Amino acid sequence: DADVTQTPRNRITKTGKRIMLECSQTKGHDRMYWYRQDPGLGLRLIYYSFDVKDINKGEISDGYSVSRQAQAKFSLSLESAIPNQTALYFCATSQDGSPPNEQYFGPGTRLTVT
Amino acid sequence: AQSVTQLGSHVSVSEGALVLLRCNYSSSVPPYLFWYVQYPNQGLQLLLKYTSAATLVKGINGFEAEFKKSETSFHLTKPSAHMSDAAEYFCAVSDLRNNFNKFYFGSGTKLNVKP
Repeated sequence: DADVTQTPRNRITKTGKRIMLECSQTKGHDRMYWYRQDPGLGLRLIYYSFDVKDINKGEISDGYSVSRQAQAKFSLSLESAIPNQTALYFCATSQDGSPPNEQYFGPGTRLTVT
Repeated sequence: AQSVTQLGSHVSVSEGALVLLRCNYSSSVPPYLFWYVQYPNQGLQLLLKYTSAATLVKGINGFEAEFKKSETSFHLTKPSAHMSDAAEYFCAVSDLRNNFNKFYFGSGTKLNVKP
């Protein structure tokens, strides 16, 4: 079984709808991240969390919210989806450490907002 | 602010040829650098990482990268390309200014390998 799973893998939704993307991990890592990937822009950080009580905004958090339900679960919500949120979304985890440890990525969720 | 620049959004090489993917970073403090690979319809996976132990870093699948502080570069190389290397490659940086909390990614380079 995959260490980092994301559901759904693909989703098409309409403008104005609320949508939730879910991420689960079995790696036992405290750190979890949400990124979006757009062609030619690489990955941009939306939110990150270091434990259940620690949630931080990334570079592009406007229009998104997150919930860390447990160490293993980190959900991303779009309260009112808009077309420019069409993108590939990745969840990632990493272990605490200095120097930083690598991130482990889920398979991604392809979201289309029409 | 940190940034990562990957020169060349697309690189095409022949099978057996040298692969060189470029990454330059900007950081005023010692950086920690990573290369990830993304195969079609998959998430990213780590190729290699630099964490100040050695400037020449060897990774999986025959890839290696050299940290050059004077050039603020961390270019990825492989002596002989294989068809299975066709993928998108991302360079990423993290440093102490953010307590290693964040990783900043380049825009990616798609590698095409011609038979």
